[in-house]
Amino acid sequence: EVQLVESGGGLVQPGGSLRLSCAASGFTFSSYWMSWVRQAPGKGLEWVANIKQDGSEKYYVDSVKGRFTISRDNAKNSLYLQMNSLRAEDTAVYYCAREGSTMIVVPPGGYYYYMDVWGKGTTVTVSS
Amino acid sequence: EIVMTQSPATLSVSPGERATLSCRASQSVSSNLAWYQQKPGQAPRLLIYGASTRATGIPARFSGSGSGTEFTLTISSLQSEDFAVYYCQQYNNWPPKMYTFGQGTKLEIK
Repeated sequence: EVQLVESGGGLVQPGGSLRLSCAASGFTFSSYWMSWVRQAPGKGLEWVANIKQDGSEKYYVDSVKGRFTISRDNAKNSLYLQMNSLRAEDTAVYYCAREGSTMIVVPPGGYYYYMDVWGKGTTVTVSS
Repeated sequence: EIVMTQSPATLSVSPGERATLSCRASQSVSSNLAWYQQKPGQAPRLLIYGASTRATGIPARFSGSGSGTEFTLTISSLQSEDFAVYYCQQYNNWPPKMYTFGQGTKLEIK
């Protein structure tokens, strides 16, 4: 069974740090881009960061640049999100998601990308 | 930055009827558009990618259309399990490889 399981969430004070983990199983983890997506209480979805299969490319939403670091360990089938200088507005459920892709066969070609497997999420609360 | 705007914010429809949800991009995203369904307390589920291709296991009553800046998700003959929040999402041709979600449409029972 294809599965993603997040862990590491909790209550942290503003300015503090937290490291989230995502354990993947049931698929070849090293073959996929992976993303973190978050959802603040009662709000919509916000893409946070992603990382290429070999870790050579990483991208972040502007609001977390310089504070969050995404990484992965393909030997352990694991994805991570190191979160520093946390703020109240970082309070959210954090989801790990696999980025699937499908080749576009008509010109100009390329790929469609989407998030086809999601974990159940881990809750991060930033509060004093 | 591409902004995705969904309408309406809430849609009230009776079971068995058709629901039409809209998503607009602030600039062309070609067909790089996906739709997700999220029920309370659950993770999102992929419904549609490439603007119109149903994901694996998604019932045929879900269909997507559009390209460029205007997109539509249509659910024909609503079932009780379809009442949820729906999000559109675009992905940016990298670099950088980034995603943007719409704010969501809540589909509720009329």
